[in-house]
Amino acid sequence: QKEVEQDPGPLSVPEGAIVSLNCTYSNSAFQYFMWYRQYSRKGPELLMYTYSSGNKEDGRFTAQVDKSSKYISLFIRDSQPSDSATYLCAISRGSNYKLTFGKGTLLTVNP
Amino acid sequence: GAGVSQTPSNKVTEKGKYVELRCDPISGHTALYWYRQSLGQGPEFLIYFQGTGAADDSGLPNDRFFAVRPEGSVSTLKIQRTERGDSAVYLCASSPRDGPNEQFFGPGTRLTVL
Repeated sequence: QKEVEQDPGPLSVPEGAIVSLNCTYSNSAFQYFMWYRQYSRKGPELLMYTYSSGNKEDGRFTAQVDKSSKYISLFIRDSQPSDSATYLCAISRGSNYKLTFGKGTLLTVNP
Repeated sequence: GAGVSQTPSNKVTEKGKYVELRCDPISGHTALYWYRQSLGQGPEFLIYFQGTGAADDSGLPNDRFFAVRPEGSVSTLKIQRTERGDSAVYLCASSPRDGPNEQFFGPGTRLTVL
């Protein structure tokens, strides 16, 4: 079993839709949870991180962690064509530790 | 301020050749990571430096891969006797020593082995 599983999609939505992206992980030792956005032929860009169960909101983005279910989510409200990218979840056992990434979900927001 | 930079942006080489990939981290970041990303996959960890020393090199696939960070800033990833399977995007990330594990990535070096 992989340490982190992410549906690769692709996911295609109309502009203005609410997008839900999800990952599951297998080991309760993971403490830090991150979402990265990656545009084509660019490096990953950190969107959000959290290290506790619950929700964290930043503008149109909400990250949600449920440690009891080992499930992490990213919600995008009022999606825009500029949100079209690959979204990667990443988990870590702690500070100064390697990240383990999901495969990434390719999102297209159609105008 | 300046982000993580990587050079070259693209590298094409022939099977069996030696290549060096360079990473300049964000100034003041003590932690530096190398990852490799194949098409359609998420980045996979290769090696992590804290200062000058490799704190975790468990992701290096074999002894053809080696990385250094002699002064605790710039790092070089070295690949000997390249194989076609080494073709990928090599990503570098840096992180401050303290605080949550926020890693900031460079644009990557796209390596193609013919």
